[in-house]
Amino acid sequence: AQRVTQPEKLLSVFKGAPVELKCNYSYSGSPELFWYVQYSRQRLQLLLRHISRESIKGFTADLNKGETSFHLKKPFAQEEDSAMYYCALSGLGTDKLIFGTGTRLQVFP
Amino acid sequence: ETGVTQTPRHLVMGMTNKKSLKCEQHLGHNAMYWYKQSAKKPLELMFVYSLEERVENNSVPSRFSPECPNSSHLFLHLHTLQPEDSALYLCASSQVTGERCQPQHFGDGTRLSIL
Repeated sequence: AQRVTQPEKLLSVFKGAPVELKCNYSYSGSPELFWYVQYSRQRLQLLLRHISRESIKGFTADLNKGETSFHLKKPFAQEEDSAMYYCALSGLGTDKLIFGTGTRLQVFP
Repeated sequence: ETGVTQTPRHLVMGMTNKKSLKCEQHLGHNAMYWYKQSAKKPLELMFVYSLEERVENNSVPSRFSPECPNSSHLFLHLHTLQPEDSALYLCASSQVTGERCQPQHFGDGTRLSIL
């Protein structure tokens, strides 16, 4: 079955601390992985995707097929990173996204 | 106006009412989606329209009826809903290329409450 698991509902860190939001997936084929973010009073938006191999707002995520993970990392968290983060999966060649339950990141000053 | 616009932002209705949610995208995309977001649950894909044809129906009860008159507009017609249908309903659009999954652009959602 296709599934995305985000084990942490809430992650709280202090400004400047490293952050890792966990995402594990279950998919039999070749997946595409995404991280979407929702800041307070804003709409859900794409943060990054694994095929881009970019660093967006200091965040990176590496697809680990062996561990079926796509954890989101940032070495030094900022207060403006506080938001809801959703990991999502799509099968290659499809446009159907399967979302995790989300992790709320709180960055304290 | 740019992006994906959803109306109304909030809707309260009784179980016997009939109402419709509207979504409009100004991004020139060719695919549109309805999602349901309930508390403590993942975002659930309900319907997908690609090139104005419904290509996905995720076992959604018939009390939800989508309509896509053109590539820019998507409706969700509601009738005889149940209290468990109270949720945030999100619309999204993307450009389907047939290759890699393209990012989806979301609206602000309609917060639906069933009395």
